[in-house]
Parts: sequence; structure tokens; C-alpha cells
Amino acid sequence: AQSVTQLGSHVSVSEGALVLLRCNYSSSVPPYLFWYVQYPNQGLQLLLKYTSAATLVKGINGFEAEFKKSETSFHLTKPSAHMSDAAEYFCAVRGVTGTASKLTFGTGTRLQVTL
Amino acid sequence: NAGVMQNPRHLVRRRGQEARLRCSPMKGHSHVYWYRQLPEEGLKFMVYLQKENIIDESGMPKERFSAEFPKEGPSILRIQQVVRGDSAAYFCASSPTEGTGGYTFGSGTRLTVV
Repeated sequence: AQSVTQLGSHVSVSEGALVLLRCNYSSSVPPYLFWYVQYPNQGLQLLLKYTSAATLVKGINGFEAEFKKSETSFHLTKPSAHMSDAAEYFCAVRGVTGTASKLTFGTGTRLQVTL
Repeated sequence: NAGVMQNPRHLVRRRGQEARLRCSPMKGHSHVYWYRQLPEEGLKFMVYLQKENIIDESGMPKERFSAEFPKEGPSILRIQQVVRGDSAAYFCASSPTEGTGGYTFGSGTRLTVV
């Protein structure tokens, strides 16, 4: 069964600083990996996804993530944080077909951006 | 092209009542997934449905919860005899196939049991 672990339930960065949100996955086969963002009282919006193509994935709002098989990681980064990036971020993994195709989420990381 | 539509956005029920949550997937999407988000927690998978079929209900509580996705109309998540612990945000997502894409999520239904 697939799973993801997000290290750090809360991360605080200054505006303009690097954003790094950590995600490690566990899967017996190469998984599909996703990052979603959730703003208060809203649904989840897909930031980016890894589906076994390029290991460096670029998403919306300047975010990107790199799939590292040797480290079983899929960390989310953004070079320069903006106040509007304050939200909750979820890493998720899914299998390829059938009943494995459901998304399994991490517990989330709340990003705070300060002036 | 409307996204995933969930209604109602907010639902208040007294203990013991039934809650019925609706989800209309994106046009052309035939796969529906329900998730529950408890306060300060991540999203927990509940059930995966295709039209007229439950594919995976491994995350559904054994009692009081049921889900359907009929040939016509929205997917329904039904909670009978609600209890305080059912208070949560319930999200629906849809996808067109079992392909490589991520899912599109609705804005959720926030259920409060009083």
C-alpha cells in the first residue's frame, strides 16, 4: 500500500525566502505523486504532479518538485515566498490502476508567510 | 465548463438525523471519490465509485455510511443517525479515467452535528 509522510505540520518563512515543504513516499512500485494546496474553507487545488516522466516537475504559482527515487522524496519548493502562498499543502500518492488508483494524502503542512 | 459541484456547502444536522451530501462530477468524468477531513487533519479516503458501481469502499465506516453513483444524477454520500463525531468537511473529487492525472476536487460540504 502506498503512503506519504509530510515532515513538519507547520512551516513559517519570510516573504521572499525559499519555501521547502517535505514529502517522503512509500510504495512498492513507482507511484504517481501530487501536491495540492488548500486555502481556508476551500477545496483542494492541484499544484503539480509526477507521473514517471521528467523528475523535475513545474507547477502553478512558481512551485516545483523533484522526484528522487533514491531518497523516496518529492519535496515541494518555491524560490521566493509570497504572502498569497499562505495555505495548507498536501502531498498525495496514488497507484496506477483499479482500486489502487485512490489518492492517499499526507497529514498536511501549514505554510505561514511573514513580512 | 463547471468544475466538481458539491451541495450543500454547509449542512447542520441534529444528532440522530440523516445527512445527504451531493456531488456532481465534472462533465465527462465517470469516476468519483469521497474524502473526509476532520479538523486539523488530512484527508481520509472513504469510497471510490464509478457509475452504478462501488469500486473501493475500504475507507467507509461499517455502519451508518453509504454511497451511490447512479446512472443518472449526482453521487450521494448518506450518513444515517449522525453523531457529533461525524462533524467534518466532506470532499468529492472526480476524474475522467484511471489515468495519470490528478483529481479535480469540489469545494466540500461542511457538516456540523449539533
